[in-house]
Amino acid sequence: EAGVVQSPRYKIIEKKQPVAFWCNPISGHNTLYWYRQNLGQGPELLIRYENEEAVDDSQLPKDRFSAERLKGVDSTLKIQPAELGDSAVYLCASSFGGTGVDYGYTFGSGTRLTVV
Amino acid sequence: DAKTTQPPSMDCAEGRAANLPCNHSTISGNEYVYWYRQIHSQGPQYIIHGLKNNETNEMASLIITEDRKSSTLILPHATLRDTAVYYCIVRDRNAGNMLTFGGGTRLMVKP
Repeated sequence: EAGVVQSPRYKIIEKKQPVAFWCNPISGHNTLYWYRQNLGQGPELLIRYENEEAVDDSQLPKDRFSAERLKGVDSTLKIQPAELGDSAVYLCASSFGGTGVDYGYTFGSGTRLTVV
Repeated sequence: DAKTTQPPSMDCAEGRAANLPCNHSTISGNEYVYWYRQIHSQGPQYIIHGLKNNETNEMASLIITEDRKSSTLILPHATLRDTAVYYCIVRDRNAGNMLTFGGGTRLMVKP
């Protein structure tokens, strides 16, 4: 099993440019999460999907961030335009939310974004 | 907001047991204690979780106090590869499966 796959692994862009991150969750995992992790801090949730529906996006800065999860599988997180403060690691995770079971979250390796 | 308190850093000698404490004095009856770790340049990795009984798996043991206000993650024989940031998280599995991370404990295993 490949685990949660994220790409690109690293991205350097100039401020005001757009950027997109891609995530392929574990097959069969119905819940997908995007987290942002600033240097030296724990990850912070940006958005959570149950299948193709965004059920919690309260922490997503909607003026510049957007996300989608087509067909309830892969997901894309976009920033437009990027700001210097967006430099961080963007982590994707997935989980299976079956009743009575708990396998925890599986995280990808993340995309390290540097905005210059 | 994270509901846990952990020391920011700890050292452990290679081969010795690493005991990582976590305070969660406001934990509610529905909340589980989860532990994840994050090795440099990787995403967080699930270690173990429990509700009130002590738990053990191939990676670690979790000791939860009787009043559930604190817990300890035990790595019985720490290796250099256990150097990582360890996160203690309380989570209500019935409230949207949310994981809220705090600052964690940076464990340094030394030869």
